[in-house]
Amino acid sequence: RKEVEQDPGPFNVPEGATVAFNCTYSNSASQSFFWYRQDCRKEPKLLMSVYSSGNEDGRFTAQLNRASQYISLLIRDSKLSDSATYLCVVNDYGGSQGNLIFGKGTKLSVKP
Amino acid sequence: GAGVSQSPSNKVTEKGKDVELRCDPISGHTALYWYRQRLGQGLEFLIYFQGNSAPDKSGLPSDRFSAERTGESVSTLTIQRTQQEDSAVYLCASSMGLVSYNEQFFGPGTRLTVL
Repeated sequence: RKEVEQDPGPFNVPEGATVAFNCTYSNSASQSFFWYRQDCRKEPKLLMSVYSSGNEDGRFTAQLNRASQYISLLIRDSKLSDSATYLCVVNDYGGSQGNLIFGKGTKLSVKP
Repeated sequence: GAGVSQSPSNKVTEKGKDVELRCDPISGHTALYWYRQRLGQGLEFLIYFQGNSAPDKSGLPSDRFSAERTGESVSTLTIQRTQQEDSAVYLCASSMGLVSYNEQFFGPGTRLTVL
């Protein structure tokens, strides 16, 4: 069974803090990686894709380590609006779940 | 353009009744997915369709659950003889295809409560 593992948190941080989430995946054949964001009682939405060379989108930086099968998300200068659950997502190469496997999420709470 | 829509948004039913949940994917999206999310829990994959076909139904929790898709468009998830443990938000998503880089777009979900 292919898995995506995340620390469920919650991560409670003050505004302006830098916070990092990690994720490990079990399928070494996986080729595509993403972070989704899910607000409370809302549907998940794509936050960013994760590229092999690492990528940045404003305050968000994603990194991939294929050798360790490890993905990270770094959020700088946290805002109250960043409070949400962050889902690590990996493509289900050769599997039966369609195209993506979702982790159970890491909850972030940014406090004033 | 229109996103993924689901109906009803909320459904309260009595134990033992059948329910039907509907999903309208984004037009042109060939892949469609159903997930279940219990309160405070992660997404539980149920089934996916490529076109009108569901290659693997092993994710469905029991034989009380079934799903179909017609016209490579609308999908319905049917739960027969509902039980209290079926209470959850049922999320539908669609994507352009099963290629791994395709983003899944989610609908707002149907919140099912079984009394």
